[in-house]
Amino acid sequence: AQSVSQHNHHVILSEAASLELGCNYSYGGTVNLFWYVQYPGQHLQLLLKYFSGDPLVKGIKGFEAEFIKSKFSFNLRKPSVQWSDTAEYFCAVNPYTSGTYKYIFGTGTRLKVLA
Amino acid sequence: DTGVSQNPRHKITKRGQNVTFRCDPISEHNRLYWYRQTLGQGPEFLTYFQNEAQLEKSRLLSDRFSAERPKGSFSTLEIQRTEQGDSAMYLCASTTSTGELFFGEGSRLTVL
Repeated sequence: AQSVSQHNHHVILSEAASLELGCNYSYGGTVNLFWYVQYPGQHLQLLLKYFSGDPLVKGIKGFEAEFIKSKFSFNLRKPSVQWSDTAEYFCAVNPYTSGTYKYIFGTGTRLKVLA
Repeated sequence: DTGVSQNPRHKITKRGQNVTFRCDPISEHNRLYWYRQTLGQGPEFLTYFQNEAQLEKSRLLSDRFSAERPKGSFSTLEIQRTEQGDSAMYLCASTTSTGELFFGEGSRLTVL
């Protein structure tokens, strides 16, 4: 069955530190990839998405992610985090070429940024 | 507000009671999804609709759970004979064929 793994469950950083959150998925076909963010008390919002083309995608608030097909990875990065980035981050995969349009989410990474 | 709307936002019920949640998607979105989220976990897929057709259901969705989208617009998720293990946040999301999911605020269920 398709799955998504996020290996970092809790991350604590100081402001201005660099961030990289890992995401790996298990499906050999073509996929659409997403990172969502959930700020405290708010609903899930899209950070960025990859459908095709340039494997380095840029999203909102200075976030970017790199799709590495050979590694089945879609890691999220930000060069310098801010206190306002404190949130939970979810990687998601839509393995649409498998005949399903469901979206599979990872378990999430809870990020805390210390001021 | 033209986003995804879910009601009620919070429901407290006693074990064995039935509950129903409603989701109003973004109007032009033809696909509607239901997910369940518990503390420390990511959203877990339950089911999805394309227009009024329910195209896929998770094997995790027991026969106590039923979802409908009668006219291809709003959707309801009903849980019969609730159990304490049903306590969770129930999320609704919608999308067009282009693929980005738009989520509602969620409906939190607490089963006592």
